[in-house]
Amino acid sequence: DTAVSQTPKYLVTQMGNDKSIKCEQNLGHDTMYWYKQDSKKFLKIMFSYNNKELIINETVPNRFSPKSPDKAHLNLHINSLELGDSAVYFCASSHRDTNTGELFFGEGSRLTVL
Amino acid sequence: AQRVTQPEKLLSVFKGAPVELKCNYSYSGSPELFWYVQYSRQRLQLLLRHISRESIKGFTADLNKGETSFHLKKPFAQEEDSAMYYCALSTTSGSRLTFGEGTQLTVNP
Repeated sequence: DTAVSQTPKYLVTQMGNDKSIKCEQNLGHDTMYWYKQDSKKFLKIMFSYNNKELIINETVPNRFSPKSPDKAHLNLHINSLELGDSAVYFCASSHRDTNTGELFFGEGSRLTVL
Repeated sequence: AQRVTQPEKLLSVFKGAPVELKCNYSYSGSPELFWYVQYSRQRLQLLLRHISRESIKGFTADLNKGETSFHLKKPFAQEEDSAMYYCALSTTSGSRLTFGEGTQLTVNP
């Protein structure tokens, strides 16, 4: 049973295109996240949603728009893709009330912009 | 704002040697510290957290508030320990987790 699943795992696209990455968790968590891992393996939070409500929105270009249709899903849509968007995007989830700090990660979606 | 620093991007040791991955943090409140690990072709996962004071896969980490450090240690490294290790900090005010830059550990045979 996959706890946090992301699709697609790999995405190669041209500059200027619009693409989406989907994330689903079946852990019953109420909080979901998007992290970006750059070429130097640096992990940086982008967004966090709690019960479909945006609670963390880091300084991310507004070309990135997260959408949470329900608390089990958090999708990431990227408009007008740029070369610098190439990275691995990780979805994660946690239960906010317990606040143990343990995040459960997906396997990542490697985006390559040509 | 909180910050986590891992000064070594790459660390290479031989099997059986002790290993220490350094982590320093800055945060004015009471932080919770964690180590996450990413093995090759696997997802990032929690290794240990300071409040548990546990040893996982032979690894331990002690929170030193005076030095604002949370170094990860193992007395005898194994080849299967080769992975990317991230130190992370969570504040008491919420569920935001701030990661360090990561240290790629390679254990040579």
